[in-house]
Amino acid sequence: NAGVTQTPKFRVLKTGQSMTLLCAQDMNHEYMYWYRQDPGMGLRLIHYSVGEGTTAKGEVPDGYNVSRLKKQNFLLGLESAAPSQTSVYFCATQNRDRAYEQYFGPGTRLTVT
Amino acid sequence: EDKVVQSPLSLVVHEGDTVTLNCSYEVTNFRSLLWYKQEKKAPTFLFMLTSSGIEKKSGRLSSILDKKELFSILNITATQTGDSAVYLCALYGGATNKLIFGTGTLLAVQP
Repeated sequence: NAGVTQTPKFRVLKTGQSMTLLCAQDMNHEYMYWYRQDPGMGLRLIHYSVGEGTTAKGEVPDGYNVSRLKKQNFLLGLESAAPSQTSVYFCATQNRDRAYEQYFGPGTRLTVT
Repeated sequence: EDKVVQSPLSLVVHEGDTVTLNCSYEVTNFRSLLWYKQEKKAPTFLFMLTSSGIEKKSGRLSSILDKKELFSILNITATQTGDSAVYLCALYGGATNKLIFGTGTLLAVQP
């Protein structure tokens, strides 16, 4: 079992470029989350999904879009990257109603120049 | 506004020392408090606390919650270099019923 995987691991973008981050899980978890982690800011929730075909905004959703077309995949899109989106992005999955069992992916380090 | 505050922000100790990390919170709809350890990559779960005064222990790590005073502490005894990491406190609950993370405490254990 791979658990939670994220693609890519690293990426450098120029301002205005777009990209999609992929999170894939093989644990059959209903809930999936996208966080960003910045120095001194902790982990902040961008968007989340409670099931296939559903998404919702978290604490810092602006500039990002998400899709959950299949249960095992959660995509995070940046349509027009900005330097403020330089961060480490973590995906997490969760079995329904068991918050302490959020399993995190290894992270994607994104730099926007 | 729901918030989680951790202190200190960073800490440097020597192997064998005991450390105490603090997490205070203000949150509506408290359901549980969680501690995570984050080394170079993804956070890994340490403890979940839901009731006041009941200590959770795992080896040299222990944690306790005080729901009246709205804080939790994480103790690490006989620290080792492998304990070097960022320790994150998170609350489950709040207005959105999601995890709310603190900024973390960076612990460096020197040989």
